[in-house]
Amino acid sequence: TQLLEQSPQFLSIQEGENLTVYCNSSSVFSSLQWYRQEPGEGPVLLVTVVTGGEVKKLKRLTFQFGDARKDSSLHITAAQPGDTGLYLCAGSRANAGKSTFGDGTTLTVKP
Amino acid sequence: GAGVSQSPRYKVAKRGQDVALRCDPISGHVSLFWYQQALGQGPEFLTYFQNEAQLDKSGLPSDRFFAERPEGSVSTLKIQRTQQEDSAVYLCASSLVSGTLVHEQYFGPGTRLTVT
Repeated sequence: TQLLEQSPQFLSIQEGENLTVYCNSSSVFSSLQWYRQEPGEGPVLLVTVVTGGEVKKLKRLTFQFGDARKDSSLHITAAQPGDTGLYLCAGSRANAGKSTFGDGTTLTVKP
Repeated sequence: GAGVSQSPRYKVAKRGQDVALRCDPISGHVSLFWYQQALGQGPEFLTYFQNEAQLDKSGLPSDRFFAERPEGSVSTLKIQRTQQEDSAVYLCASSLVSGTLVHEQYFGPGTRLTVT
């Protein structure tokens, strides 16, 4: 059972376009992380969101945590080829060691 | 090094062979995690250590999988009698603290295991 559903699974856009990817769950998480993974490498942490309704910005990336702490979105403005990669969300609960990952969104930004 | 390192980066094993995968976490990180990532999927949790104690091994797929972290630093994931379905990337991650609200994990590059 996949607790975290990410959509879309694949996204191919032109450089300069904007995009939003989603991470949805029926479960409540105490925190949610977004990672970016490139081929042959491990996931790299982008951001952690903790509070329902929280919005965090990282340059051209905007992350939002849903009010009920069940879902999150990642918006990229003016995408660049360097943004290409697999974007993973992971949810975790307080006092539980492990994180649960979604299957990711594979983003391709064409020059 | 500053990051999590894993060795070997690539391993090819014949079906039935035993393999051992090593993880060197970030110095001082209390928690260490092993994940299995199949092609086109997100990482799946295998097991978790806090210092030398293995607190959760609920994700290990069978009793052929065994992990240890005897001194609370380096960890080894061992797979006995490998099967083709064990082919995957095995990721190790470490975290400064555990059992808290935030679970920021830092990943190594992974070991790609191919069982032929």
